[in-house]
Amino acid sequence: QVQLQESGPGLVKPSDTLSLTCVVSGDSISSIYWWGWIRRPPGKGLEWIGYIYYSGDTYYNPSLKSRVTMSVDTSKNQFSLNLYSVTAVDTAVYYCARKPSGPGILHFDSWGQGTPVTVSS
Amino acid sequence: QSVLTQPPSVSGAPGQRVTISCTGSRSNIGAGYDVHWYQLIPGTAPKLLIYNTNNRPSGVPDRFSGSKSGTSASLAITGLQAEDEADYYCQSYDRSLSGFLIFGGGTELTVL
Repeated sequence: QVQLQESGPGLVKPSDTLSLTCVVSGDSISSIYWWGWIRRPPGKGLEWIGYIYYSGDTYYNPSLKSRVTMSVDTSKNQFSLNLYSVTAVDTAVYYCARKPSGPGILHFDSWGQGTPVTVSS
Repeated sequence: QSVLTQPPSVSGAPGQRVTISCTGSRSNIGAGYDVHWYQLIPGTAPKLLIYNTNNRPSGVPDRFSGSKSGTSASLAITGLQAEDEADYYCQSYDRSLSGFLIFGGGTELTVL
């Protein structure tokens, strides 16, 4: 059974870069899945950030696309998120998740527990 | 504001049936795109409850069911149990510039 675990700093300063990593166990990151990030700001709903395939192909939320990059490290079976020029509105619980690949498949079947990130000076 | 609208909260007594609505538009649910539902319990990993509108992953009790009509979808929970107390989110796809994958604002279910 696949498990995903997020890690990263819990506090990031405004204008800095938020960097998170998701370690995947129980499955190969090079398998037929996409690997994504979703966040939940306090008091608000979930927001999809984007997802990446092991080949490096990516899809990003258009509203965040200019500030986001994702990458995959197959040797460590993990993938990462970089969110640039953060502000307080980027404060949220960040989740990594797995999305099956295939035409029209757009749900996430496994999630990490989430890691809280606060943007503050 | 979330593209998909959910009631902020619903409640029910043990054993009862509750439904959670998810209202979209002609650019997402109304365009025929599937709806998926997740359960979020604090301190645990979110769980996929329903995918492709009315399919349950292995291990999800048949007390949970999904449906869709027009621009809205619903999650129904029958035989409500204390362990069902959680936040529930719907998710779909939007073909407009508002986003690619979209979520509802979430509904907090309280078991009385």
